[in-house]
Amino acid sequence: EPEVTQTPSHQVTQMGQEVILRCVPISNHLYFYWYRQILGQKVEFLVSFYNNEISEKSEIFDDQFSVERPDGSNFTLKIRSTKLEDSAMYFCASSEGTSGGYNEQFFGPGTRLTVL
Amino acid sequence: AQSVSQHNHHVILSEAASLELGCNYSYGGTVNLFWYVQYPGQHLQLLLKYFSGDPLVKGIKGFEAEFIKSKFSFNLRKPSVQWSDTAEYFCAVNVGNNRKLIWGLGTSLGVNP
Repeated sequence: EPEVTQTPSHQVTQMGQEVILRCVPISNHLYFYWYRQILGQKVEFLVSFYNNEISEKSEIFDDQFSVERPDGSNFTLKIRSTKLEDSAMYFCASSEGTSGGYNEQFFGPGTRLTVL
Repeated sequence: AQSVSQHNHHVILSEAASLELGCNYSYGGTVNLFWYVQYPGQHLQLLLKYFSGDPLVKGIKGFEAEFIKSKFSFNLRKPSVQWSDTAEYFCAVNVGNNRKLIWGLGTSLGVNP
């Protein structure tokens, strides 16, 4: 069964450093998403991506964040200058994006980002 | 702003007990409703969803949920839980044609054998 994969599973970085979180969505999916969950808090939407551009982003997704689909398979989230409060579990998801309504989002296992 | 509330943050049951996890959302328009589950060490996966039609929806592993529009609720139920149901359960909604999911805090369910 196809799965969304994410690397690395755990990333430790120093405050102010850049990090890139990587995701491989399911191959025939067209919509891609990033969510995050700070420990003890709700899962929060960050950004959705379709047709090589951002389709929606939350208030959290400020200029420090960017997403990219550098090739036909990877979907990346970059945080330019990490802050302590960026420490969280980051989930990537993808969905089919076919017409006719909403499609189920399939989630990856997450990347735990720890900013020291 | 839209929000989702899950009333029970930690639930512990014995095997064969019945389960009901509460979920309420705040939005007056069209919503799509979801329950996701995360078993220990595994991905978030969809348990069940409601888009339209019969408000009682059945999902995998014997779970069901009932959409009650007048109460803005989408409670998850299972008549008899098993030890393997030990997991974190998340209620989520998306609003209208918007694809982003809005999540509840999650409920940690422990089932004692």
